[in-house]
Amino acid sequence: AQSVTQLGSHVSVSEGALVLLRCNYSSSVPPYLFWYVQYPNQGLQLLLKYTTGATLVKGINGFEAEFKKSETSFHLTKPSAHMSDAAEYFCAVSEGGYNKLIFGAGTRLAVHP
Amino acid sequence: DAMVIQNPRYQVTQFGKPVTLSCSQTLNHNVMYWYQQKSSQAPKLLFHYYDKDFNNEADTPDNFQSRRPNTSFCFLDIRSPGLGDAAMYLCATSTGQGGETQYFGPGTRLLVL
Repeated sequence: AQSVTQLGSHVSVSEGALVLLRCNYSSSVPPYLFWYVQYPNQGLQLLLKYTTGATLVKGINGFEAEFKKSETSFHLTKPSAHMSDAAEYFCAVSEGGYNKLIFGAGTRLAVHP
Repeated sequence: DAMVIQNPRYQVTQFGKPVTLSCSQTLNHNVMYWYQQKSSQAPKLLFHYYDKDFNNEADTPDNFQSRRPNTSFCFLDIRSPGLGDAAMYLCATSTGQGGETQYFGPGTRLLVL
């Protein structure tokens, strides 16, 4: 079965600093990988996804992620954090039929002035 | 424009009193999913529909049921809510094809008194 591990349940950065949120997956087949963001009391919004092709994926709000098969990783980065980036971030892998998602435990990002 | 709509956004019920949560979509997607998300946890898939075909996750309690009367609407019924069922309930849709984005509604927060 596929699984997702997010290292660091809480990450705190200064405004303007680099954001790095880590995600590792296990999958016996080429994976489809996703990053979603969740603001308080809201649903999940897709930031970006990897399906096939280019391993560096650019998403919304200046985020990007790189699929590294050799490291089974799909880490999320943003060069310069903004206060509005404070939220919960979930990495997910698509499993099996009907595009079911397996989520990591999530990383709460705090951005301080 | 809202694509996945959930009503109500907040629902208060009493212990043991049946409650129904509603989800509708304007995307005409084949698959609709229901997730349960408890505080500071990842969303957990309860079940999904592919058109009218119902697919229950193995560990979803019998207390949770679902109905999909047509493509646009899907309901989550909790027959006898317990205190442990207090959570955010998220509805999502997708085409069902691998790698396709799941679109989430804003969620319904359920409080059980």
